[in-house]
Amino acid sequence: RKEVEQDPGPFNVPEGATVAFNCTYSNSASQSFFWYRQDCRKEPKLLMSVYSSGNEDGRFTAQLNRASQYISLLIRDSKLSDSATYLCVVRRMDSSYKLIFGSGTRLLVRP
Amino acid sequence: NAGVTQTPKFRVLKTGQSMTLLCAQDMNHEYMYWYRQDPGMGLRLIHYSVGEGTTAKGEVPDGYNVSRLKKQNFLLGLESAAPSQTSVYFCATSPGQGANEQFFGPGTRLTVL
Repeated sequence: RKEVEQDPGPFNVPEGATVAFNCTYSNSASQSFFWYRQDCRKEPKLLMSVYSSGNEDGRFTAQLNRASQYISLLIRDSKLSDSATYLCVVRRMDSSYKLIFGSGTRLLVRP
Repeated sequence: NAGVTQTPKFRVLKTGQSMTLLCAQDMNHEYMYWYRQDPGMGLRLIHYSVGEGTTAKGEVPDGYNVSRLKKQNFLLGLESAAPSQTSVYFCATSPGQGANEQFFGPGTRLTVL
């Protein structure tokens, strides 16, 4: 079983739609959580960190449920430019150096 | 500032050939990492370094070696390439312990025939 699991998608949604991705992690020692974005054939880039109380950045909202060990990302009012792969990432308490990446959820926003 | 750069961008090797991938950064970051990314597998850590002169094994180190002789450079070597090493290789850096963000280079697409 992978330590970080994501639905690979693709999620195909029209512009303006709201879409949500979930991610589950198996190691309860996971301490920090992030969403990275990766455009086709490009490098990953940090989208946002995920805080215990939940956090919002514009159209993006991230939530963390430690009891159920899942993280979510909600995108409101989808834009064509949101089309990308979204990587769920965790850092374990026992290793501050290393990040564990999920294999990503692909989002396609159509006109 | 160039950030994180990788050389080369593309390479095709024959089985058994060797090569070195170069990662260079101008952000003065302490930590550097080499990942490979394969379809459906996500990014997997090959080796990493927490400072000049140090290296450590990651999740999938077999068949690779690394060196960090200078703080700004992190080299990944394949001594005898195998088709299973066909992948996209990403280098990343981060400022230091506890840093939330890793900064990635543009990647190297390697094909081993």
